[in-house]
Amino acid sequence: EAQVTQNPRYLITVTGKKLTVTCSQNMNHEYMSWYRQDPGLGLRQIYYSMNVEVTDKGDVPEGYKVSRKEKRNFPLILESPSPNQTSLYFCASRGEAQETQYFGPGTRLLVL
Amino acid sequence: GNSVTQMEGPVTLSEEAFLTINCTYTATGYPSLFWYVQYPGEGLQLLLKATKADDKGSNKGFEATYRKETTSFHLEKGSVQVSDSAVYFCALRKGLLGSQGNLIFGKGTKLSVKP
Repeated sequence: EAQVTQNPRYLITVTGKKLTVTCSQNMNHEYMSWYRQDPGLGLRQIYYSMNVEVTDKGDVPEGYKVSRKEKRNFPLILESPSPNQTSLYFCASRGEAQETQYFGPGTRLLVL
Repeated sequence: GNSVTQMEGPVTLSEEAFLTINCTYTATGYPSLFWYVQYPGEGLQLLLKATKADDKGSNKGFEATYRKETTSFHLEKGSVQVSDSAVYFCALRKGLLGSQGNLIFGKGTKLSVKP
């Protein structure tokens, strides 16, 4: 089954404790991206990647890092989480020449 | 810059009512337009799309027509069901390559359908 998976689905952490949210897709897609969803703000893009070792900033990259060492994986790293990073995070992927973008189920993060 | 504006919610309707969720966009050229749906506790799913002017996207009884002259892509359904309760996002994309391949979303409209 074609899918985008994220782990963990729920995470409670404390300020400053480094964390990684994993994202994996099994569709051999070139394009992957991370979004955060906040009430009243909709979805905002954090980072995106057009292929292995090619990443770029989205609209709200501050406080986040990403890497793309393998085509299927695109982890989101919070080196020193802060409460304003409490949010719902979505990973997404798309084939380079395809219109449809597929989303993961989301990771709900609470930073205390 | 490129942007999407959609009507604010929440929208509450009775079952079998007619639904319209307005969406307008700002972009140069001919972007592709999308409606995504997010059911409670789930990720976003593509509902329908249109890639050029006057195209009509349709799926699950929902329709939207790409209107270049009014820069709009309004979502409609003739008879909503309780199972249509969800958040609906309008989005655009300028192209497929590079930063043009990024989706730009509206803020979402929450729909609640009462039996």
